[in-house]
Amino acid sequence: DAGVIQSPRHEVTEMGQEVTLRCKPISGHDYLFWYRQTMMRGLELLIYFNNNVPIDDSGMPEDRFSAKMPNASFSTLKIQPSEPRDSAVYFCASRSGLAASYEQYFGPGTRLTVT
Amino acid sequence: AQSVSQHNHHVILSEAASLELGCNYSYGGTVNLFWYVQYPGQHLQLLLKYFSGDPLVKGIKGFEAEFIKSKFSFNLRKPSVQWSDTAEYFCAVLYGQNFVFGPGTRLSVLP
Repeated sequence: DAGVIQSPRHEVTEMGQEVTLRCKPISGHDYLFWYRQTMMRGLELLIYFNNNVPIDDSGMPEDRFSAKMPNASFSTLKIQPSEPRDSAVYFCASRSGLAASYEQYFGPGTRLTVT
Repeated sequence: AQSVSQHNHHVILSEAASLELGCNYSYGGTVNLFWYVQYPGQHLQLLLKYFSGDPLVKGIKGFEAEFIKSKFSFNLRKPSVQWSDTAEYFCAVLYGQNFVFGPGTRLSVLP
């Protein structure tokens, strides 16, 4: 398996622009998580899905952030409009609900820079 | 709210030194505990986990961690570090379906 795939790996955009981050979870995994990592705040859970349904979005910082999972193999995290304080590394992770280990498998991350 | 704290922000050691990274969590109920490692420029990878049973857990690359319930702690240890252990280490606690990560400890091992 290729693991969790994220694209793009790096994104540089100007303030006010729309940004879309993409994630393909490991095949067969029914949980998908979006995290944001910054020096100031560490690793924060933004939202997670189970069977394509958003379960907990309490970590989404504000209405500018939205996430969708239209099918089991694809999810997007959108920021509109983007702001410099959104600059961070965004990780997607997935896991299987059948696995007793609860281990989450992380993607390589998308490094977002908003100027 | 549940929280996870890690004692040190940045630890600097020489090769062959022993390592102990502290982790404490706030939840008093049943928890599942994890240590993840993030090598420079890479994604998080699981080092080890504790669910039940022997409170001394052995993971990959010679790491181990001890769960002490009375202290709400899950400290990570390695008897002799190598330069390749330079990375950021995250303690995490599973509450229900949610992972709560600690702020991370950056380990720098000097050759």
